[in-house]
Amino acid sequence: AQKVTQAQTEISVVEKEDVTLDCVYETRDTTYYLFWYKQPPSGELVFLIRRNSFDEQNEISGRYSWNFQKSTSSFNFTITASQVVDSAVYFCALSEASSNTGKLIFGQGTTLQVKP
Amino acid sequence: NAGVTQTPKFQVLKTGQSMTLQCAQDMNHEYMSWYRQDPGMGLRLIHYSVGAGITDQGEVPNGYNVSRSTTEDFPLRLLSAAPSQTSVYFCASSYWGSEGAFFGQGTRLTVV
Repeated sequence: AQKVTQAQTEISVVEKEDVTLDCVYETRDTTYYLFWYKQPPSGELVFLIRRNSFDEQNEISGRYSWNFQKSTSSFNFTITASQVVDSAVYFCALSEASSNTGKLIFGQGTTLQVKP
Repeated sequence: NAGVTQTPKFQVLKTGQSMTLQCAQDMNHEYMSWYRQDPGMGLRLIHYSVGAGITDQGEVPNGYNVSRSTTEDFPLRLLSAAPSQTSVYFCASSYWGSEGAFFGQGTRLTVV
């Protein structure tokens, strides 16, 4: 069965610290897609990244980086030099190619608080 | 482009009342879905559609109804509201199945 686990419910850091948000997934599909979304206090869901199962290259976008490891079924998200504006709930999600329905399976979310 | 538009943004219902949450997208996306967000549970899929005239149940469909008569619109109906349906509801759309979804702004629903 498909499942996404974000074991960290809440993380609190001080500004400029680096922080890693963990995401572990389960799927039987060989082709699947992983996502990260950000939900700031205003409530909307902001797409951050999509990664397919055949691309294990790490990705960096500014202060954000993602580490995808199929061997451990993990897709972790690191924020370098965190800022107060990074405070949000972050969701990891999985989509299986075999369903081709647009369905996303979400983790429980990790609330990140960055203190000044 | 408006993207995905949900209305209303906030709603308070009494137990037993019915209502429809509206969702419209202007991106010509085939795939649309409804999720509910509850504390500590992430987002859970209620219903989804892969095209006009085609809908199916997600993880938590009970108490909700959907239809998809056009590509643009995907309304969610609460048949008889219950306090357990107090939640934040998100509508999402995507061009193809594994693209990743664009989300509406959400509807915060309270059932008293």
